[in-house]
Amino acid sequence: DTEVTQTPKHLVMGMTNKKSLKCEQHMGHRAMYWYKQKAKKPPELMFVYSYEKLSINESVPSRFSPECPNSSLLNLHLHALQPEDSALYLCASRRGQARDTEAFFGQGTRLTVV
Amino acid sequence: GQQVMQIPQYQHVQEGEDFTTYCNSSTTLSNIQWYKQRPGGHPVFLIQLVKSGEVKKQKRLTFQFGEAKKNSSLHITATQTTDVGTYFCAGRSGTYKYIFGTGTRLKVLA
Repeated sequence: DTEVTQTPKHLVMGMTNKKSLKCEQHMGHRAMYWYKQKAKKPPELMFVYSYEKLSINESVPSRFSPECPNSSLLNLHLHALQPEDSALYLCASRRGQARDTEAFFGQGTRLTVV
Repeated sequence: GQQVMQIPQYQHVQEGEDFTTYCNSSTTLSNIQWYKQRPGGHPVFLIQLVKSGEVKKQKRLTFQFGEAKKNSSLHITATQTTDVGTYFCAGRSGTYKYIFGTGTRLKVLA
């Protein structure tokens, strides 16, 4: 199984809503990532978890709250988002034991904030 | 901070023509990875280059890492319509942090 599964695929939420994005992988990868991608732009790193601990936070606003409950799961909790937060949110994983390994990306959650 | 730029931003080619995208980093890279993202899809890993001056081939794709490890290129010979997409380089900065290049969007006209 070389898949990274993200749910939901699409999400529309109001600015006062609370929602969560979910990412799951069963490849035994210990590094997991959240990226934000706007149209026609490269993926922009948000968070990195290494061995279930947050190792990188790219100065992301607190309305985005990541969580890594176990080695297979990664969540991104959303609260009080702005319309400019509308984007494709990508989860990725790579083997934690070796830094120089490929990243496997999920299909993404396309988020629209209204 | 580290920046990774790619040129060109867009490229339209006739099917059968060659295509090259260039990736330039403001700092020396430990390694470089290349990804392809089809329209509406997600990035998919193509290859990794680690050594200075390294050249790798995958069928019609040729990847190069510069001698100074600050630039890289991807060359596609005889493009096909299946090559359509955006090609990103990604350079490692720190232990797990990869910075994506700005991307080159390729369109292939049949």
